[in-house]
Parts: sequence; C-alpha cells; structure tokens
Amino acid sequence: DIQMTQSPSSLSASVGDRVTITCRASQGITNYLAWFQQKPGKAPRSLIYAASRLHSGVPSKFSGSGSGTDFTLIISSLQPEDFATYYCQQYYNYPPTFGPGTKVDIK
Amino acid sequence: QVQLQESGPRLVKPSQTLSLTCTVSGGSISSGTYYWSWIRQPAGKGLEWIGRIYTSGSTNYNPSLRSRVTLSVDTSRNQFFLKLTSVTAADTAVYYCATGGLDGTTDYWGQGTLVTVSS
Repeated sequence: DIQMTQSPSSLSASVGDRVTITCRASQGITNYLAWFQQKPGKAPRSLIYAASRLHSGVPSKFSGSGSGTDFTLIISSLQPEDFATYYCQQYYNYPPTFGPGTKVDIK
Repeated sequence: QVQLQESGPRLVKPSQTLSLTCTVSGGSISSGTYYWSWIRQPAGKGLEWIGRIYTSGSTNYNPSLRSRVTLSVDTSRNQFFLKLTSVTAADTAVYYCATGGLDGTTDYWGQGTLVTVSS
C-alpha cells in the first residue's frame, strides 16, 4: 500500500491566517491526490481532486498543488467555518489510502 | 446532486456479520458514470477505504479486508450493500457510503452510521 503522511498533525491559527498543510506519498502518484475536510461528528467533505481541482461549490480560498510525491493544501484566509480536520488521499492505485489528518483549530 | 444514506443494525455481536445498505437518491446507481464505495472510520481515528462496486457488479476490495467483505448492488432499488463477516471489536467504526468518478475520485458521502461490535 502507498503510505500517506501529513504535516503538521495539528496547528493553531487565527481567523484571516494563511494556512498550509503538506501531504507526502511513499511513492509517486502523479496527480491522483484528493483533499477532504471533516468537522466533528460530520462526514468528510470533498474539497479537491486531481491535486488542484476544486469540487463544485468549494470556495476559491482553498487551493491545492503538487505532483509526484509532495502536495500542498492552502487556505488563503482562514474563516471560522474552516476549523476542521483535513485529510489527503491517494487514488493512484489500490487500495486508496488516506493521510492521518491535520487538525486545524483556533489559536 | 447525488445523496447517499446508510442504514442497518447499529449493534452487531462479535463473530457475526455486519450488514449495511446505502440508498442513493438524486441519481441513478445504474448510470454507469460512478463507482459506489464504502469507507470506515474508528472513533478518533483516520479513514480506511473498504471497497467499491460498479454497476456491473465488478468490485475492488482493500486487501486487508478482502477475505471478509462482500459488496453488492441492487439497481432496481437504487441501493448498494456491504457485508463484513466475522466481526470483532476492531470493526467498530462509523461506516460511510460514498460515490465518485470512474477515475477514482470520491465526490459525495453519506452522513455515516456508527456500528458497534459488542456482545
């Protein structure tokens, strides 16, 4: 299985901050990388697929980049509704695997 | 927009079979443009992909669960199903059904259902 790692595992930020989360795959996955947002007690929400493409309805403050093994999710200006846990996932080969998550909370 | 809803027993005894149904609305399960997946999440932990099924019935399973998992689909009811045999406490989790494109993306999620394995 392809192993996914994320850093940091958690971060504290303020409203208006620019937040960067990184994700690394144990082998190259081209751009078969997705990002999900999950709030406590809720199902994950799909944010980004193909490393940089926003799902329908996802605001442009979210952006993704990267290819190969290293990827980044950026939230340009953190808002109260963005405090959540963020997961990356590779779907390059089976089984699809998720990173351990990055929890973003309020400073 | 496609919506998904999980249903099934919330409590399963050890060694028995966990059975869940996912009902799809807002789209046809037989459209041929989506895969239909199951993903689980133990309390306080990360996400684990269980498997997916296509309209034709073809399946892909996580090797870690393959010996115990069966996915099936009923296009007439717009539903797909998960069966997990010989469950233990380690199978206690929130189970999500989800759907995504043929390229492997996961686009829409159900709200999830907590299944507890306990005697």
